[in-house]
Amino acid sequence: QLQLQESGSGLVKPSQTLSLTCAVSGGSISSGGYSWSWIRQPPGKGLEWIGYIYHSGSTYYNPSLKSRVTISVDRSKNQFSLKLSSVTAADTAVYYCARAVRYFDWLEAYYYMDVWGKGTTVTVSS
Amino acid sequence: DIQMTQSPSSLSASVGDRVTITCRASQGISNSLAWYQQKPGKAPKLLLYAASRLESGVPSRFSGSGSGTDYTLTISSLQPEDFATYYCQQYYSTPPWTFGQGTKVEIK
Repeated sequence: QLQLQESGSGLVKPSQTLSLTCAVSGGSISSGGYSWSWIRQPPGKGLEWIGYIYHSGSTYYNPSLKSRVTISVDRSKNQFSLKLSSVTAADTAVYYCARAVRYFDWLEAYYYMDVWGKGTTVTVSS
Repeated sequence: DIQMTQSPSSLSASVGDRVTITCRASQGISNSLAWYQQKPGKAPKLLLYAASRLESGVPSRFSGSGSGTDYTLTISSLQPEDFATYYCQQYYSTPPWTFGQGTKVEIK
């Protein structure tokens, strides 16, 4: 059974770079038909999709964060990572990683997020 | 970006009640919609995808319907473990993927 586990710095100073890793177990991150996402949730608020990376290495980012986000994959370690630069207090949130699985509908490919990590809390504060 | 508007933002219901949550997209999303359940301090859990397809292991009292811009999550008979916050999320076409603001289902 696939499992995802987030890890990384829980406290980041303003203007610095947030770095998180999502370790994948029970499956290969290199398998076709999947993408790997980051999502965040500020305290007491809703969910915001940050971006994803395909098994091929192609990435898509939320335009609202695109200038500050980098998602990468390390196939040798079966994990993927998030870097968010120039953080402010507004980036304080629980950060989740998730797998999205592909399905076809009328020959169009779609991806929905079916497996999520438990989340990790990141606080931006001096 | 496609905006997702959920209603209501919260509701109070009793065990055994039929509960309906609505999600409206700012443009047609061709059934590219998922529903998630989130309990406090936990990650979201997938309930349905493609608007109406039940995820494996999810109780059949959960169902989804809709088309175009309007979608509905129905819980046919609310159980104690169903008190949670529910989110819709569209994954149509080019990102960004977007979520509704959530509906909190509370005990009456």
